[in-house]
Amino acid sequence: EDKVVQSPLSLVVHEGDTVTLNCSYEVTNFRSLLWYKQEKKAPTFLFMLTSSGIEKKSGRLSSILDKKELFSILNITATQTGDSAVYLCAVESGGGSQGNLIFGKGTKLSVKP
Amino acid sequence: NAGVTQTPKFRILKIGQSMTLQCTQDMNHNYMYWYRQDPGMGLKLIYYSVGAGITDKGEVPNGYNVSRSTTEDFPLRLELAAPSQTSVYFCASSTAQGNQPQHFGDGTRLSIL
Repeated sequence: EDKVVQSPLSLVVHEGDTVTLNCSYEVTNFRSLLWYKQEKKAPTFLFMLTSSGIEKKSGRLSSILDKKELFSILNITATQTGDSAVYLCAVESGGGSQGNLIFGKGTKLSVKP
Repeated sequence: NAGVTQTPKFRILKIGQSMTLQCTQDMNHNYMYWYRQDPGMGLKLIYYSVGAGITDKGEVPNGYNVSRSTTEDFPLRLELAAPSQTSVYFCASSTAQGNQPQHFGDGTRLSIL
């Protein structure tokens, strides 16, 4: 059975700290791994990773994929209170479900002033 | 710049009632999806569609039906509401499966009492 596991499930840090969120997966016919940020409403897209070892960056956020070890990390440096959210990891599998997303349970990040 | 629009935002139903959750997108995306998100859980795929007139079951389709008569609209119907269907429902769309992220609506919070 395909699965995506995120850790930790919740995390509390102070502004300025650096955090690392983890995502491991076991899926058939891996296509891509995606990170989303979910505040009160819709998940918003952060990164899509398809190749191993290539870091994607956007401001203070970065992510990298290891296809050999089947995991990805999302780093946030110099955290701000606006980074408080649930971060969702999803893997697109090209198996019988024709490339649909399998989501982890998310990591709830709380950044305190 | 509407993107994916879901209505209603909130709804309370009695057990056994029926309703339709509306989803429309203005990005001319071929692929559309319905997910449900229970507290502390990741999103689970209910149904998806790869184009007008084509729909298929996801991971948790029981108790739901969908139709896709146009590219823009992908309504989700609950025929006989049950307490287990209390959840937040998200609609998403994408240009193609693989290498393109899904874009989400703001969700419909549904309570069955």
